[in-house]
Amino acid sequence: DVKVTQSSRYLVKRTGEKVFLECVQDMDHENMFWYRQDPGLGLRLIYFSYDVKMKEKGDIPEGYSVSREKKERFSLILESASTNQTSMYLCAIRRDISNGYTFGSGTRLTVV
Amino acid sequence: AQSVAQPEDQVNVAEGNPLTVKCTYSVSGNPYLFWYVQYPNRGLQFLLKYITGDNLVKGSYGFEAEFNKSQTSFHLKKPSALVSDSALYFCAVRPHSSNTGKLIFGQGTTLQVKP
Repeated sequence: DVKVTQSSRYLVKRTGEKVFLECVQDMDHENMFWYRQDPGLGLRLIYFSYDVKMKEKGDIPEGYSVSREKKERFSLILESASTNQTSMYLCAIRRDISNGYTFGSGTRLTVV
Repeated sequence: AQSVAQPEDQVNVAEGNPLTVKCTYSVSGNPYLFWYVQYPNRGLQFLLKYITGDNLVKGSYGFEAEFNKSQTSFHLKKPSALVSDSALYFCAVRPHSSNTGKLIFGQGTTLQVKP
């Protein structure tokens, strides 16, 4: 079964820092997604990618960018971290057209 | 706008009793429907899905869900709850027209099963 790995479980960063969140899959799936999860708001899509160097904005892209230079790796970048970006970040891949997602374990980011 | 609603922030049930976690959706066409579970500080795990066919679908850990097209609902059920079922549950919808596979998630329902 496919494995989705997020490099950090917990991160603490300072306001204004540039932050990189990494997500790696161990298979060859094209579609990868970044969500943030906040209590009472569910999961909100930040960005997604459907192939190498291809990306599309989700519902809340402001303050974020992404990079997909290789098929297996999808990075989320916080250009200048702010306290309102403190959240749980979840990476996911879509396995095939009738299946849902496989998620990584999540990165809990705190910006101080 | 397309959306998913989970009307209850929290559901409390006693161990051994049946449980229901509600989900309704507003999506054009025939959507794909999913339930996920999240344990503390973990990612989401797939429970079950409805694509087509029988309205009652069975999934992991004894859970099942019933698709009701007329009521645009996809409620999650289990005949006998376990304390270990306590977790956060998300309903998700993929519009059939979506070629990128984007899922729309509900806000989540915390299930608390008491011994």
